[in-house]
Amino acid sequence: QLHLQESGPRLVKPSETLSLICTVSGDSVTSSSHFWGWIRQPPGKGLQWIGNIYYGQTTYYNPSLESRITISVDTSKNQFSLRLSSVTAADTAMYYCARRGTWQFDLWGRGTLVTVSS
Amino acid sequence: SYEVTQPPSVSVSAGQTASITCSGDKLGDKLAAWYQQKPGQSPVLIIYQDTRRPTGIPARFSGSNSGNTATLTISGTQAMDEADYYCQAWDDSNVIFGGGTKLTVL
Repeated sequence: QLHLQESGPRLVKPSETLSLICTVSGDSVTSSSHFWGWIRQPPGKGLQWIGNIYYGQTTYYNPSLESRITISVDTSKNQFSLRLSSVTAADTAMYYCARRGTWQFDLWGRGTLVTVSS
Repeated sequence: SYEVTQPPSVSVSAGQTASITCSGDKLGDKLAAWYQQKPGQSPVLIIYQDTRRPTGIPARFSGSNSGNTATLTISGTQAMDEADYYCQAWDDSNVIFGGGTKLTVL
């Protein structure tokens, strides 16, 4: 059954690195048919695309976050991950992982709320 | 950078037709998608490639995209359709989301 599940620390200190993992069931993170991505949503606000990874290696990042982002895959665990460095309170958000077809995100995880606070 | 704009809120009486717009420069030349998000839930894809509905999405949801505006239309709006709706487009390799529209069903 196709399923995405986010995991990782719910609380991160300012200036540290946020790290999240998305575990994929029912599809492959190295599939040539799909991209795998991260989207976030600050409390009470709209959606912001963070970035995608394709075929396990090609990455596309939001220009506004690019200097702080790394998205990678672990093929042995069928997971992909997000690292966001130098976090501030503005990075507090619900973080979703999602599967992307050619032009749209057709499957989303349930999301995980990450709070940046000391 | 490319931006798309949605009205913050739209109200519609139950049973009537709701239209939610998404505006951007030459948006009609790009492909638009729409997502529905209910409180406490993840977004759900309801329209992709301007007009296509994923399996399981009711036929009362439809989309169009021309000129500078993409439109999500909900015919015979039901109380269960009350939610936030987001449009999504592309600019080069970047994904662009609209700010979202809160649909209230009266």
